[in-house]
Amino acid sequence: EVQVVESGGGLVKPGGSLRLSCAASGFTFIGYSMNWVRQAPGKGLEWVSYISSSSSSISYADSVKGRFTISRDDANNSLYLQMSGLRAEDTAVYYCVRDIDYWGQGTLVTVSS
Amino acid sequence: EIVMTQSPATLSVSPGERATLSCRASQSVSSSLAWYQQKPGQAPRLLVYGASTRATGIPARFSGSGSGTEFTLTISSLQSEDFAVFYCHQYNNWPRTFGQGTKVEIK
Repeated sequence: EVQVVESGGGLVKPGGSLRLSCAASGFTFIGYSMNWVRQAPGKGLEWVSYISSSSSSISYADSVKGRFTISRDDANNSLYLQMSGLRAEDTAVYYCVRDIDYWGQGTLVTVSS
Repeated sequence: EIVMTQSPATLSVSPGERATLSCRASQSVSSSLAWYQQKPGQAPRLLVYGASTRATGIPARFSGSGSGTEFTLTISSLQSEDFAVFYCHQYNNWPRTFGQGTKVEIK
């Protein structure tokens, strides 16, 4: 069974940093591109970042470019999102998504003083 | 950035009736269009990809059509479990973008 499980969310002050993790199982992780998508409370979906299967291609939404870094560890079937310079508007549930198909249950990031 | 516009914002439908949801792209996304269903407190679930291919395990009452800039998701006969918010998503261009969602509610 395909599973992606996010962790690492929490409460952080504006300007702070947080690292999200996504543990993948049930599929050949190295063969898939991965995405982070977020959803602010009561709002719609916003794509955040993409990493190709070989890590050779990486892309970010303008809203996070220069502040967030996506990476992956194929040996440990894991995806990461390093977030720095966090702002109140980054408050959201962050989802790990295999390509476009399988979504985790999300991890909540709250940026507040 | 490609803007995805969904209509209507809210659709009130009786169980057993047909629902038609629209999604328009500000420029062509070819057939790189997906539809998702999201219920309260849950992650989105992929329904359709490639504009018209149903994802694994998705009932045949869900069908997608269109290409280029105009897309439609049709639910042929709404079941009680279908009431939710539906999003379209283009993955043809960077940045990837989502529509604002259509809420399908019980009439």
